[in-house]
Amino acid sequence: NAGVTQTPKFQVLKTGQSMTLQCAQDMNHEYMSWYRQDPGMGLRLIHYSVGAGITDQGEVPNGYNVSRSTTEDFPLRLLSAAPSQTSVYFCASSYFAAVGEAFFGQGTRLTVV
Amino acid sequence: EDQVTQSPEALRLQEGESSSLNCSYTVSGLRGLFWYRQDPGKGPEFLFTLYSAGEEKEKERLKATLTKKESFLHITAPKPEDSATYLCAVQAYGANSKLTFGKGITLSVRP
Repeated sequence: NAGVTQTPKFQVLKTGQSMTLQCAQDMNHEYMSWYRQDPGMGLRLIHYSVGAGITDQGEVPNGYNVSRSTTEDFPLRLLSAAPSQTSVYFCASSYFAAVGEAFFGQGTRLTVV
Repeated sequence: EDQVTQSPEALRLQEGESSSLNCSYTVSGLRGLFWYRQDPGKGPEFLFTLYSAGEEKEKERLKATLTKKESFLHITAPKPEDSATYLCAVQAYGANSKLTFGKGITLSVRP
């Protein structure tokens, strides 16, 4: 029973590089979301999806893209990494009727130099 | 705009010393308030859902309560394994199902 799986766990990027953070869930949840967590800022919503083919922006979407081609996967793309994107990224999933009862992945710690 | 404020930022307790964590919120129509626990280097783990003022939920040494303006997480006779960061989040009606999180309260329980 894997739950929510994020890869990689750690990543160092150079400014301007692009990369994709992977997120997969095996619970058949409709709702998936990406957050970033910074010291003193709490969890901030980047993008979310209410089902395959449907995505929307959260509080801090600039510099990030998402797509949802399947129920299971919700990758987050950094288009051109900037030092301000240094953060810990969490993917979460839940049933649409219980968004607040979310299952989180273990996180990806990203450093942009 | 929905807002969640948690206090204090950090709390240090002696084992067995009961206390409460506060979550104040401003939301246009509360659909639900949620408590999570986060251990260092891990993702948040869901604890409780509260829907309406006066509601209470309990789990082991933790009890969550809700009023129209705030929620409390009461910790009775804490143990060192209760040390973690506790997050509060709210969901409003008509908010496209989005959650708004507070910054968290870091609890440290000394043996």
